[in-house]
Amino acid sequence: QSALTQPASVSGSPGQSITISCTGTSSDIGRYKYVSWFQQHPGKAPKLLIYEVNNRASGISLRFSASKSGNTASLTISGLQAEDEADYYCCSFTTRTIPSFVFGSGTRVTV
Amino acid sequence: QVHLVESGGGVVQPGGSLKLSCTASTSTFTTSGIHWVRQAPGKGLEWVTFAQIGGNRRDYADSVKGRFTISSDNSENTLYLQMDSLTLEDTAVYYCVDDCLSSGACYMTGFWGPGTLVTVSS
Repeated sequence: QSALTQPASVSGSPGQSITISCTGTSSDIGRYKYVSWFQQHPGKAPKLLIYEVNNRASGISLRFSASKSGNTASLTISGLQAEDEADYYCCSFTTRTIPSFVFGSGTRVTV
Repeated sequence: QVHLVESGGGVVQPGGSLKLSCTASTSTFTTSGIHWVRQAPGKGLEWVTFAQIGGNRRDYADSVKGRFTISSDNSENTLYLQMDSLTLEDTAVYYCVDDCLSSGACYMTGFWGPGTLVTVSS
């Protein structure tokens, strides 16, 4: 099924804030609270940042925050640091067809 | 937090089969479910399948339905992904993912294994 829509790339300078959007439909983001965000560095497994729309996973910096409005979820990284340079994926539970999960297309963040 | 490790990846010809394993660091699975998620080289993440641990629920993405079969052996704390009729498009790193955090929040919030690479090539 079609991936959630994310911008291909976002860039920012150290210390700045950036926001990554993730657009889905009324069958996924618009309907469920099960929206997550993952960070992936090259050659590594994805790492959970945010779950259930806006809950930070254990050990995740307060610089990462997230929200949802309608069919769109957003991840904000404040106080951008060099270590934040990575790929970011949103993910939502969906019932477009069977109960399953759909990922975003991914956003490359450049610092 | 339970750790998961995948194994069984390798090179296989189109039309061939491969069986992946996902093993937990505990003697039995303590979670309610395990997902497989894959990532083709240079591409994004794709959900593949979900298995309910201790239950019969199995869900498959349309792209693998009828070709992939997930099974579990709780006594061996291992989950298996049998992949048949493999195509070039199945080439990817395959990750197994715990459905739940130790805090109880679920829906693919748990630990990701390091992944195992499956390459389908003639």
